Order: sequence, then structure tokens, then C-alpha cells
Amino acid sequence: DAKTTQPNSMESNEEEPVHLPCNHSTISGTDYIHWYRQLPSQGPEYVIHGLTSNVNNRMASLAIAEDRKSSTLILHRATLRDAAVYYCILRDGNQAGTALIFGKGTTLSVSS
Amino acid sequence: DTGVSQDPRHKITKRGQNVTFRCDPISEHNRLYWYRQTLGQGPEFLTYFQNEAQLEKSRLLSDRFSAERPKGSFSTLEIQRTEQGDSAMYLCASSLRDRVYEQYFGPGTRLTVT
Repeated sequence: DAKTTQPNSMESNEEEPVHLPCNHSTISGTDYIHWYRQLPSQGPEYVIHGLTSNVNNRMASLAIAEDRKSSTLILHRATLRDAAVYYCILRDGNQAGTALIFGKGTTLSVSS
Repeated sequence: DTGVSQDPRHKITKRGQNVTFRCDPISEHNRLYWYRQTLGQGPEFLTYFQNEAQLEKSRLLSDRFSAERPKGSFSTLEIQRTEQGDSAMYLCASSLRDRVYEQYFGPGTRLTVT
């Protein structure tokens, strides 16, 4: 699986937008971009995924660069509950195997 | 609660003992995955099942590890002759076959080998 690079940590204030970057310069044409997050003492949870176009759901937005070499997860209004480790993951949509390859992720802190 | 459940939540064992963990996936999910997570690291894939068939195993899954999903529902992960390096959080996840991008994780079983 292609590699992703994320900052180790980021800080935000409550009710402000948060932009979490992810670089994936070696992404292939069939790689989907996934974001998961892991709240303290819990298993990871799915946030969003996309291939080429920007995506929105109730949790977040995913902005994908035109060359697909980077993407940004956008939390529109951070809450204290959004403090978590955020993982950017690439998965080859052509492969039958469905293992998610997690890196170390970005630890997001949210202050009130 | 209709999420993924794991049992036990915590297990302390002595080196050399065998341990077994159980995972109950979301009932309609035909895919089930096992991951391992150590402190400060992201989860690492171990193995996955589609129904009762084990389709992929990571190189991390040594001969001391075995996983089963006998009737395509719950799964067990057994570690024989535990070592201190096996201490970790063992996570189970499940998904629908056609929604593999959306894996639902359980709370994990924390194993401590003394």
C-alpha cells in the first residue's frame, strides 16, 4: 500500500474549523483515500473516504487535491469530542484484500 | 447495542500461558478482521475472514496465533505460549462485503503478559 504522511499533532479551539492534512505523493490511480479516527480508549471509527472528488458527510468533509497527491480532512466546527487520533489511509480499490494499513496518525487536541 | 463486541475487555496472563479472545461482529456483516495495536502506534492488520473462510493473514500472525470463525458469525483469536511482546490491544472489526471501506471496530481486548 502507498504511504501517507501526516503531522504528529495539531491543536484547535472548540467551535473553530480544523484542517487535517495528509500527503500521499505515491498514490496510484486505484487508491481510495480513507480517514478513520480513534477516540481515547476506543477502537477506530470510520470518518469518510473518497477517490477523486471532494466528499461531504455528517461528520466531516474530504478535500482531495487535483493531482491526488494530498488531501485534507475538514472538521467544520471542532468540539471537545473530536479530540482523537486521525488516520489517513490509502487502500487499493482493485485488491480483494481489505486490510487497512494504519500509520501513526495525527493527534488532534481541542481546547475550550 | 448492535455494535461489535469483544470479550474479555482485559486479560492478564503469565508468559507461556494460552489465551483466547472472542469477537462478535455486527450480525449482518460477512467480513471480520483482527488487528493488534501497541501503545503509540496505529492498529496493525493480522487477518480477515469472509464468512467462515480465512482469506488473508499478515506476516505478523506467527505460528502461535490462530483465528477461527467456524460458522461465519463470531470469531476467536488464540495465542499459544504467550510472550511479553504479545502485550497489546487486540481489535476486531467487521464490515459488509460491498462496503469494505467502512469497518466497524469493537472496543478491543487489552492483553498484558507478565
